[in-house]
Amino acid sequence: DTGVSQDPRHKITKRGQNVTFRCDPISEHNRLYWYRQTLGQGPEFLTYFQNEAQLEKSRLLSDRFSAERPKGSFSTLEIQRTEQGDSAMYLCASSGETGTQTFNEQFFGPGTRLTVL
Amino acid sequence: DQQVKQNSPSLSVQEGRISILNCDYTNSMFDYFLWYKKYPAEGPTFLISISSIKDKNEDGRFTVFLNKSAKHLSLHIVPSQPGDSAVYFCAASDNTDKLIFGTGTRLQVFP
Repeated sequence: DTGVSQDPRHKITKRGQNVTFRCDPISEHNRLYWYRQTLGQGPEFLTYFQNEAQLEKSRLLSDRFSAERPKGSFSTLEIQRTEQGDSAMYLCASSGETGTQTFNEQFFGPGTRLTVL
Repeated sequence: DQQVKQNSPSLSVQEGRISILNCDYTNSMFDYFLWYKKYPAEGPTFLISISSIKDKNEDGRFTVFLNKSAKHLSLHIVPSQPGDSAVYFCAASDNTDKLIFGTGTRLQVFP
C-alpha cells in the first residue's frame, strides 16, 4: 500500500471558479477525513466519512463546499465560487482499526495546495 | 478558542542531545493524543500516540509523556538527529473522532 494519495498537488484558480480535489485513502481504511491548513496554523477539521456516510461537518465548511465519498473508497472535495480566503493546503487523511491501529491514528496524504487569485 | 496549544513556535537543539516539545490542552474530554511531524510541502506524518489511560508511551527514540492533572503532554526525542528537523504538531481527539491540532513547533537540529 502506498498510503493516502491526493490529486492535484497544486491548483491555481481565479476567484469565482469551481475546483475539485480527489483523495484516495489507504485501501483497508473505512474512515476518511478532510482538513484545511493555512500558514502558521495546524490542520483544521472540515468533515469526515465512515464508508460512504458523511458523519460530521465543521462550521468551517460553508455552503460553497461539498464533499462526497460515493462508493466508500475515494472522496472528492468541491469548492464552488472560490474566494481568495479559500487559499490553503487541503489535507486528506484516513484511518481504520487494522492491526494495532485505532481510528484515532489518522494517516495524511501530501495535500493539495490551492491558490485563488 | 485554541483547545490545543503549543506555546513554543521554535526550538533549536544540538545533534545527539534531547529535544523536548511541549503541548497544553484545555478540554478535559480529550482522551487520545498524537504527535505528527511535517516537512515542507508534505502532509503530516504520524509519529506516536498515547491514550489518556496511560502516562507514557515509548517508540524507539520517541517518548510521549501525558500529565492529565496539568493537561500537558510532551514529546522527547533522544538522541536528536538532523533528519528530525521539521515542524511538530500535537493533536488531540475526544469521542467525536476529529483531531484538534496545535499550531506547531519548528525543531531545528544542528550538528
